[in-house]
Amino acid sequence: DTEVTQTPKHLVMGMTNKKSLKCEQHMGHRAMYWYKQKAKKPPELMFVYSYEKLSINESVPSRFSPECPNSSLLNLHLHALQPEDSALYLCASSQDRVGSAFFGQGTRLTVV
Amino acid sequence: GESVGLHLPTLSVQEGDNSIINCAYSNSASDYFIWYKQESGKGPQFIIDIRSNMDKRQGQRVTVLLNKTVKHLSLQIAATQPGDSAVYFCAENRQYGNKLVFGAGTILRVKS
Repeated sequence: DTEVTQTPKHLVMGMTNKKSLKCEQHMGHRAMYWYKQKAKKPPELMFVYSYEKLSINESVPSRFSPECPNSSLLNLHLHALQPEDSALYLCASSQDRVGSAFFGQGTRLTVV
Repeated sequence: GESVGLHLPTLSVQEGDNSIINCAYSNSASDYFIWYKQESGKGPQFIIDIRSNMDKRQGQRVTVLLNKTVKHLSLQIAATQPGDSAVYFCAENRQYGNKLVFGAGTILRVKS
C-alpha cells in the first residue's frame, strides 16, 4: 500500500466555521507533512511531524492547527479562515529521513 | 520552446521526442532531490530521486542529472508521450530536518 488518503476531497466553509482535514497512511512512514498549494504555484510547506512530534512550523498562522494522533494519522484543524486561505491542501509522508515523500490527492478548500 | 513570464514556464514537445526539464536550486547544503509530476486536480506523484553524492540516475524512460557546481538539476524524459503532459516540479531537501522545498515548476505539453 503506497497510498496517502486525504478526506474530504472538497470542502467549502464559512469564515466563522471550524473544520478539520484528515490524512492517513499505512506505509509505516514516521514523517508526515502538510503543504498548501495555490493555483499555478508549487506546494508550500506548512508543517512537518517527525515521530508524531511537530518538528517544523513554517510560521503558519494559528488559525491552522495541526495534530498527529498516531503514526498513521495527521489532521489539520481550521478555524476562522480567510478567503485567501482557499487552496489545495496536500498531505505527504516519508520515511524518517526524507526519502521518497508520497502525496495524497489533496483537499480543495474554498473559504467563503 | 520555453517561455517564462507571469505563468509557469512551458515546454512544448512533439510526441516521441525527448524532453528536458530544468531546475535551479538555491541551497548548496541540500543533499537530496526529487522530481514530481502533477496532473490537474491531483497530488504530486513521485518520479525519480537522486542524492547529492551522485550526478546521474536512471529510471524507466527518465534520467535525472545533478550538477552541484552550478546547483542545477534536470529531468530527461525519453520518447515523450501524451500521458506525460503535466506540471513537473523539482524538490530539494534542506539538510536541517525533513524540509522538502519545491521549485517553481514547468508545464510540459506533448503535441500529438
